[in-house]
Amino acid sequence: DSGVTQTPKHLITATGQRVTLRCSPRSGDLSVYWYQQSLDQGLQFLIQYYNGEERAKGNILERFSAQQFPDLHSELNLSSLELGDSALYFCASSVSMSPGELFFGEGSRLTVL
Amino acid sequence: DQQVKQNSPSLSVQEGRISILNCDYTNSMFDYFLWYKKYPAEGPTFLISISSIKDKNEDGRFTVFLNKSAKHLSLHIVPSQPGDSAVYFCAALLENTDKLIFGTGTRLQVFP
Repeated sequence: DSGVTQTPKHLITATGQRVTLRCSPRSGDLSVYWYQQSLDQGLQFLIQYYNGEERAKGNILERFSAQQFPDLHSELNLSSLELGDSALYFCASSVSMSPGELFFGEGSRLTVL
Repeated sequence: DQQVKQNSPSLSVQEGRISILNCDYTNSMFDYFLWYKKYPAEGPTFLISISSIKDKNEDGRFTVFLNKSAKHLSLHIVPSQPGDSAVYFCAALLENTDKLIFGTGTRLQVFP
């Protein structure tokens, strides 16, 4: 158990819809990262928040947005969903004392039909 | 533009032998390299890392080698055990950022 909690674990929705994925980081971790893993793809970095502020941005689509709240939990919002958005979405957190050492949740599997 | 590449999607090794997983990168601005292991239905877990100023780091059965001139790193697992069967991701940290770039992964199967 990494201490990072993601909900929901599975989500099935239709094209054009909007979903919200939620992440609670490990206690004390200030950084939250979102990654997308599509079929046969590596983990694609989407976005990072540190203590409520956006810190780094990767290949995140404009249809996607995220935020980190004062209690440090984070939400990833995916809108106008397309078939190609079907993927595993991972959240990770870190305390930034060990470079690159992230603690990942179990992921949210999104299926867009 | 895949900055971190794992060209072998899969590797099969007999128990007790050495497993060697390879990774190539293109960006000279990476200053840390890491390996993560992923079991099905779980998130990736950190395995071992190496700073760009070193060429080797060892932790028990796991050793990571870095060849900066070739922009290549490898993970050696000796001896390999069936419990090592998993997907292994190579990752690189962009200098002065928290941006961790992952490769596409190599599925390792260790058979008895």
